[in-house]
Amino acid sequence: AQSVSQHNHHVILSEAASLELGCNYSYGGTVNLFWYVQYPGQHLQLLLKYFSGDPLVKGIKGFEAEFIKSKFSFNLRKPSVQWSDTAEYFCAVNAWSNYQLIWGAGTKLIIKP
Amino acid sequence: DTAVSQTPKYLVTQMGNDKSIKCEQNLGHDTMYWYKQDSKKFLKIMFSYNNKELIINETVPNRFSPKSPDKAHLNLHINSLELGDSAVYFCASSQDSERTGVSYNEQFFGPGTRLTVL
Repeated sequence: AQSVSQHNHHVILSEAASLELGCNYSYGGTVNLFWYVQYPGQHLQLLLKYFSGDPLVKGIKGFEAEFIKSKFSFNLRKPSVQWSDTAEYFCAVNAWSNYQLIWGAGTKLIIKP
Repeated sequence: DTAVSQTPKYLVTQMGNDKSIKCEQNLGHDTMYWYKQDSKKFLKIMFSYNNKELIINETVPNRFSPKSPDKAHLNLHINSLELGDSAVYFCASSQDSERTGVSYNEQFFGPGTRLTVL
């Protein structure tokens, strides 16, 4: 069965630290990849997405992610986090054979001011 | 201007009651979803409708019944509410634009409905 694994359930960083959140998926075929963010008390918003082309994709608020096909990974990065980045981050994968997104369990990111 | 809207935002009710949550999208999308998010923030797909037809029906109790009167609406009716139904329910939509037979499945979410069953 297809699955998405987010390695860290909780991450705590200080402001200005660099961030990398891991996401791995299990599916051998073509995929579309997403990172969504959920700020406290709010709904999920799209942070960035990969459909095709350049495997390094840039999203909103200074986030980027790199698709490494050989590693089945789509890690999220930000060079310098801010307190306002405190949120839950979800990785999701759409396999081209499916109608549904497969979701990771989420990573809770807490930024200390 | 709201792309995906849900009502109500909060719902507090007693065990055993029947309640409905409404969802509307004005994006012109043809696929809509219901998700349940538990207290640990885990997202679980419940249902998906494409052009008013049910295409995903995960293992949910049959007390939950989705209804799609048209492509822009997907309502969720819950009978005989139980304590374990307390969660945040999110509606989402996507355009199942099949380019060369592929669904890109970028989903847009509503604000959520926080259901509390007492």
